Amino acid sequence: KQEVTQIPAALSVPEGENLVLNCSFTDSAIYNLQWFRQDPGKGLTSLLLIQSSQREQTSGRLNASLDKSSGRSTLYIAASQPGDSATYLCAVFLGNYGQNFVFGPGTRLSVLP
Amino acid sequence: DAGVTQSPTHLIKTRGQQVTLRCSPKSGHDTVSWYQQALGQGPQFIFQYYEEEERQRGNFPDRFSGHQFPNYSSELNVNALLLGDSALYLCASSQKGQLYGYTFGSGTRLTVV
Repeated sequence: KQEVTQIPAALSVPEGENLVLNCSFTDSAIYNLQWFRQDPGKGLTSLLLIQSSQREQTSGRLNASLDKSSGRSTLYIAASQPGDSATYLCAVFLGNYGQNFVFGPGTRLSVLP
Repeated sequence: DAGVTQSPTHLIKTRGQQVTLRCSPKSGHDTVSWYQQALGQGPQFIFQYYEEEERQRGNFPDRFSGHQFPNYSSELNVNALLLGDSALYLCASSQKGQLYGYTFGSGTRLTVV
């Protein structure tokens, strides 16, 4: 059974810091991995999608890496801003192994001005 | 182009009652998946519908049932509500056979008292 964990559970940093969020999954049989952002009480916004054959994806100040063999992904946020404050969710998509996402519990990020 | 629309946005029900949540998929999408997100946790997969049939189901009891209409919209029904059913219910739409391009709605916040 696929399980996804995220470390840390919560993080508070001053504005301008670079930071790394970690995600681990137990089964390498995935189709892709996505990082989502969720603002309080809201739905999910997809940030980055990494196909299982890829190693990393970049969008603006965000960079996500994937090491499928070790079951790990990291989300790097450069020069953090107060507007980055949100919960960040990592999810593996099972694809042909089951067309649904398995989500981690999320990392709650606060960027202080 | 409208994204995924969910209604209602908030709902309060009494333990033992029944509830129906609704989802309209993004234009061009024909597949709807439902997720339950308890407070402080990641979303958990409930089930997926396409061609008006349940195609895949997560680890949820039979109290959770659904329906998909010919226009691809979907309903999630929960019977005999428990306090533990209090959560944000998210709907995601996609195109059948495509293993990417999932779009999430903003969710329905259900509170069971």
